[in-house]
Amino acid sequence: NAGVMQNPRHLVRRRGQEARLRCSPMKGHSHVYWYRQLPEEGLKFMVYLQKENIIDESGMPKERFSAEFPKEGPSILRIQQVVRGDSAAYFCASSPLGGIKTDTQYFGPGTRLTVL
Amino acid sequence: AQKVTQAQTEISVVEKEDVTLDCVYETRDTTYYLFWYKQPPSGELVFLIRRNSFDEQNEISGRYSWNFQKSTSSFNFTITASQVVDSAVYFCALSRSANAGGTSYGKLTFGQGTILTVHP
Repeated sequence: NAGVMQNPRHLVRRRGQEARLRCSPMKGHSHVYWYRQLPEEGLKFMVYLQKENIIDESGMPKERFSAEFPKEGPSILRIQQVVRGDSAAYFCASSPLGGIKTDTQYFGPGTRLTVL
Repeated sequence: AQKVTQAQTEISVVEKEDVTLDCVYETRDTTYYLFWYKQPPSGELVFLIRRNSFDEQNEISGRYSWNFQKSTSSFNFTITASQVVDSAVYFCALSRSANAGGTSYGKLTFGQGTILTVHP
């Protein structure tokens, strides 16, 4: 079974550009989570999504950040008008059950975003 | 609010030594889940274990063992006979139960991580 897939693995953007990070969950998983790991910091929860629904976005910055998990295709984390402080590793995780059971989250390899 | 503290920022050992990584957590929930993840130098996060708050039995998996003590809110991780390949950052994490209500059960709260270096 393929694990959680994230692409690109590395992304370089200039200030003011948009960054799109993609996450394909493990086969059979319909719950996706995004986390951010800033330099010298631990992992921080950003958002939890099910297909076509945002369940919990309490960790998302109020501006410039958005996430979606459409009925078809990968989950997308979108950062508009990136700033240097957005440079971080962004991890996606997926789980099979989520809503009816607190489930183990399996992580992808991460996308390292560098903002010049 | 939930909180996880990994007081050891860095640990350095020599191969074959035993090493224990500490994890202390705070939660008001009666039902919750605890996890350990490993982040090797390649950067991915590898799931190691998940423990339900009702299950206080210690667990052993090969050279890895976990000691869950609800009375002290600790979930410590021991590596026996450490190897160079164990060198990584180890994260302890806490989540609410889906039965707790609300929508925050999907959120893992991580500790700051412990950098383990095993020297040959």
